[in-house]
Amino acid sequence: DQQVKQNSPSLSVQEGRISILNCDYTNSMFDYFLWYKKYPAEGPTFLISISSIKDKNEDGRFTVFLNKSAKHLSLHIVPSQPGDSAVYFCAAYSGGGADGLTFGKGTHLIIQP
Amino acid sequence: SAVISQKPSRDICQRGTSLTIQCQVDSQVTMMFWYRQQPGQSLTLIATANQGSEATYESGFVIDKFPISRPNLTFSTLTVSNMSPEDSSIYLCSAETNREAFFGQGTRLTVV
Repeated sequence: DQQVKQNSPSLSVQEGRISILNCDYTNSMFDYFLWYKKYPAEGPTFLISISSIKDKNEDGRFTVFLNKSAKHLSLHIVPSQPGDSAVYFCAAYSGGGADGLTFGKGTHLIIQP
Repeated sequence: SAVISQKPSRDICQRGTSLTIQCQVDSQVTMMFWYRQQPGQSLTLIATANQGSEATYESGFVIDKFPISRPNLTFSTLTVSNMSPEDSSIYLCSAETNREAFFGQGTRLTVV
């Protein structure tokens, strides 16, 4: 049973436009959510996170929105740049993370010139 | 796609002892990574496990403390040596192939 779902394996966006990556979860105990970015042959790097007590967190071009009632979060990248082309993973944990992160399967974002 | 089996899922160990964590992938993968995730924190890359050669360690991690083996394209082990309570953490195996990445379920280690 996949508790964190990223239903779009890939997404293509034109440079300069907004990229929206979506993530759904089923475990209502999740209280902290993270987005990671991963280039091929490299480990994932942390991008941005959000606690369940918030509905929005912004850091530069990256904004994460959380809709607890819908168990849905999204990552917005504005404006999209060529260097944003990567795989993006949504991850979640509960109870301070003592039991580790649960990852989605990732969305491959392709930024087109 | 690939499925990663990581063992043990959790363990409680005495300080001064060592624990070896195994990571088995159900298909051949190009790259395997080992991470540490301390409670409430993000992932920290320990090393890249290289098939047939010594692992590539990140700053702050050394082979004597975290020896890694990767005898083939489907299997790797991470040993946490001479453990102290500060090593209590979750250790996560990851694999990558064909530009796709996969994660194990992690090993929750408590050192007492």
